Amino acid sequence: QVQLQESGPGLVKPSETLSLTCTISGVSISKYICSWIRQSPGKGLEWIGYIYHTGSSSYNPSLKSRVTMSLDTSKNQFSLKMTSVSAADTAVYYCAGDPGAPVNAFDVWGQGTMVTVSS
Amino acid sequence: EIVLTQSPATLSLSPGERATLSCRASQSVGSFLAWYQQKPGQSPKILIYDASNRATGIPARFSASGSGTDFTLTISSLEPEDFAVYYCLHRTNWPPVSTFGPGTKVDFK
Repeated sequence: QVQLQESGPGLVKPSETLSLTCTISGVSISKYICSWIRQSPGKGLEWIGYIYHTGSSSYNPSLKSRVTMSLDTSKNQFSLKMTSVSAADTAVYYCAGDPGAPVNAFDVWGQGTMVTVSS
Repeated sequence: EIVLTQSPATLSLSPGERATLSCRASQSVGSFLAWYQQKPGQSPKILIYDASNRATGIPARFSASGSGTDFTLTISSLEPEDFAVYYCLHRTNWPPVSTFGPGTKVDFK
C-alpha cells in the first residue's frame, strides 16, 4: 500500500523559510512525479510544483521565485523549501504523487500538514 | 496559462438526487482532466482521470464526460457520503504544470 507522509515545522516566522519533507512508503519514488499542493484555510487547492526522480522540476509561475524542490532517492523522500514566507503562505501543505500516463493526475496524497506563518 | 472554471459554486441537493457538475477550460485541454472529491479535514481523493475513467474503487454512480473545453461530472444518485467539495484538475504534459478549478460544493438541501 502506497503511503505519503509530510513532516516539518507547523509554525514559521514571517520572512523565514518553510521547509517540508514527504516520505513515500510502499513504492519507489521513481514511480511518481512528486508534487506539493497547498490549501489555505477555507480555500481551494493550489499546485506548488513537481519534481521528477531525475531531479527535473517545474514550479507554479506565481511561486517560482520562492520555491525549490529536491529529492533524496536513497530515503524515498522529496522536499519543499519556500523562502520569504508571509501570512498568505499559511495553509495545509499536501505532498502527492502523479504516476504519469494514463492517469496524468495525483492519485496518491499525504494527509497534509498545517503550516502557520506567524511571529 | 489555462484557467479552469467550475459551476455552480454550490449545489444544494437531497440524497437520491442526481448531481451534475461542470468544469470549463479557457482553452482546449484534450482529455487531460481529472476530478477529485474532498471532505472536510481530508485529503482530496481522485475520482476520475483522463476525463472519463473512474479511478480504482470509485463507485459506478460517479461518471464523467467531455473533451476540449467542457467537462461534466455526474453523480447519478447522491449517497450521504457524497456531500463534499469537488475539484477538477488539468496537468499539461511538458513542462508539467497543474491547474485546479475553484471547486463545487455539494451540500444538503
